[in-house]
Formats: sequence, C-alpha cells, structure tokens
Amino acid sequence: GAGVSQSPRYKVAKRGQDVALRCDPISGHVSLFWYQQALGQGPEFLTYFQNEAQLDKSGLPSDRFFAERPEGSVSTLKIQRTQQEDSAVYLCASSTSAGAPYNEQFFGPGTRLTVL
Amino acid sequence: KQEVTQIPAALSVPEGENLVLNCSFTDSAIYNLQWFRQDPGKGLTSLLLIQSSQREQTSGRLNASLDKSSGRSTLYIAASQPGDSATYLCAVSGGGADGLTFGKGTHLIIQP
Repeated sequence: GAGVSQSPRYKVAKRGQDVALRCDPISGHVSLFWYQQALGQGPEFLTYFQNEAQLDKSGLPSDRFFAERPEGSVSTLKIQRTQQEDSAVYLCASSTSAGAPYNEQFFGPGTRLTVL
Repeated sequence: KQEVTQIPAALSVPEGENLVLNCSFTDSAIYNLQWFRQDPGKGLTSLLLIQSSQREQTSGRLNASLDKSSGRSTLYIAASQPGDSATYLCAVSGGGADGLTFGKGTHLIIQP
C-alpha cells in the first residue's frame, strides 16, 4: 500500500508569513508524529497524536507552532509568523497502533521549509 | 533526558569493505532501537528495528546488535557497495519520551 505522504515537498516563505504543512499517514495507522530536522542534524520530536488526540506537544519550539489531526487521519502542522530559524525539513511518521514508544515508525519524504 | 551519540560522524571506505557504525544512548530504559538510512533530500528509510528484549537483527548484508545495559548498538554492513552511500541514523524509543530520539547520523561514502 501507499506510504506516508507529505505536501508540499518544498515551501519558501517570507519571514512573517504563516505556513501549513500536510501529512497523510499510512491508512489505518493510529499514531502520528511530527519531527523537525535542521541541516546536518538528526530529527527532533515535535508532537504526537493518537487518533485525533494530541497526547504530547512537548517538542513544539514555540507557541507559533500548532498541529492538528481533527479526524484522526490527515494532520496539519501550522507555523505562524515564520522566522528564519524555522527553516528545516519537517518529517511526519506514523505507526500502526497506540502506545507510542513501542512500534516501528514509518516516515514520509518530508517538507523542506525555507524562510527568507 | 535521553541523548544519542553516533560515531564516526563521517566515514569514507573503498567498495567491498566491511564496516561498523556505532550508536550509544544515555538512558537504558528503551523499548526499541531503529536504524534508518537517509539519502540526500529524502525522508528516512527504516533498515532494522531491534526490540529491547532482542540482541540483534539481520537483513541481507546488514546486521544490527543491541546491548541495552551498556547503552550501545552497532550496525554492521558487509561487502559495502557504492549504493550504500547515505547518512545512517540511529534512534531509540522510550526513556520517558513519546517520540524517537535520534543521533546526528554517520555520513557514509563508499568509493567505487
């Protein structure tokens, strides 16, 4: 079946603009994760959903970052008033069942955000 | 807070050599450990998943071991090929976190 998909693949924003990044997880996957990967670094955890419930948002770097998954499937990561330090690749991952730490995560191709 | 370290940061070897990539983590209370491959401009491809109760996993020319008590894992690549060139990332789950905790990766180049 289809893997995790993300759109857009590339996004260029002017400083101060709002952006929205979309993630389509593997069908039927209960858990969904967002990560931020800066250039030359490993990904860093942002937030975790189990179905539509956001169970952990401890990694979101500021209140400009907001994520939702209203119907327990597609998720959107929104960044308000983008800053240059927000430039990174944003990765989405999903896994089959509840219980976040236990299961293998499958990653999408990422969205590369560049803030000018 | 869990920390993951990967050594070396970069490695360049001739084709055909066997090689070992190292990963260490500070909190041994993990549920599993994953090795990923990342090609330039691409997402992450899962290579191997080792549950905390396991000692090793094998897939083709890849073998990953886990010593949970000492906080270490190794990824062994046999008979390396130019197509193995990529960044290899180690990640652990658990240790009080819902998401994976990643190392910075090993950038591997296999010379033809």
